[in-house]
Amino acid sequence: QVQLVQSAGEVKKPGASVKVSCKTSGYIFSSYGISWVRQVPGQGLEWMGWISGYNGNTNYPQKFRGRVTLTTGTSTSYMELRGLRSDDTATYYCARDMGDRLDPWGQGTQVTVSS
Amino acid sequence: SSELTQDPAVSVALGQTVRITCQGDSLRSYYTNWYQQKPGQAPVLVMYGKNNRPAGIPDRFFGSSSGDTASLTITGAQAEDEADYYCGFRDSSDNHRKFGGGTKLTV
Repeated sequence: QVQLVQSAGEVKKPGASVKVSCKTSGYIFSSYGISWVRQVPGQGLEWMGWISGYNGNTNYPQKFRGRVTLTTGTSTSYMELRGLRSDDTATYYCARDMGDRLDPWGQGTQVTVSS
Repeated sequence: SSELTQDPAVSVALGQTVRITCQGDSLRSYYTNWYQQKPGQAPVLVMYGKNNRPAGIPDRFFGSSSGDTASLTITGAQAEDEADYYCGFRDSSDNHRKFGGGTKLTV
């Protein structure tokens, strides 16, 4: 079955960078993109960007442009967030982006930013 | 506007029917998806397109849309349906994804 398995949680200091991985299996990676979504504790879902599994093209919302970089490897997507602040403390999810829907989602990676 | 508005909280008695709504001008042009999120878990797709349920989603879940409002109806709500529900869609003008603020369903 289709699975997305994310890397373990991390604790970072303000100003640092974090790189989260999302390893996929059960489907042809190049057939779909990967979207990244974050959730600040107690809040809703926030879309961070998309990367094509076919050619690596990316699309970011203005809020994250220049601070987030999405890349791909072998059946894996990576999300790097730079210049971490305390309000970046959140759970970060990857999801297979099928165009009309996000399905399935990874289990989430908790990133804590604290001095 | 591409904003989506959801009621923060809705409650339903066990076995009764509940409707969770999502409102936004963009919904006049796009179908929304619905994601269920239980505490401490990742979101799960429960409805997409006009009224499509992914494999494994019970048929008590029903999706509909009228004008600027999309609805997820649960007929005969079960205790395991207690969760947060988010609507979301992809705006084809910029291919950016948008989510509603979420509705906490209490059964």
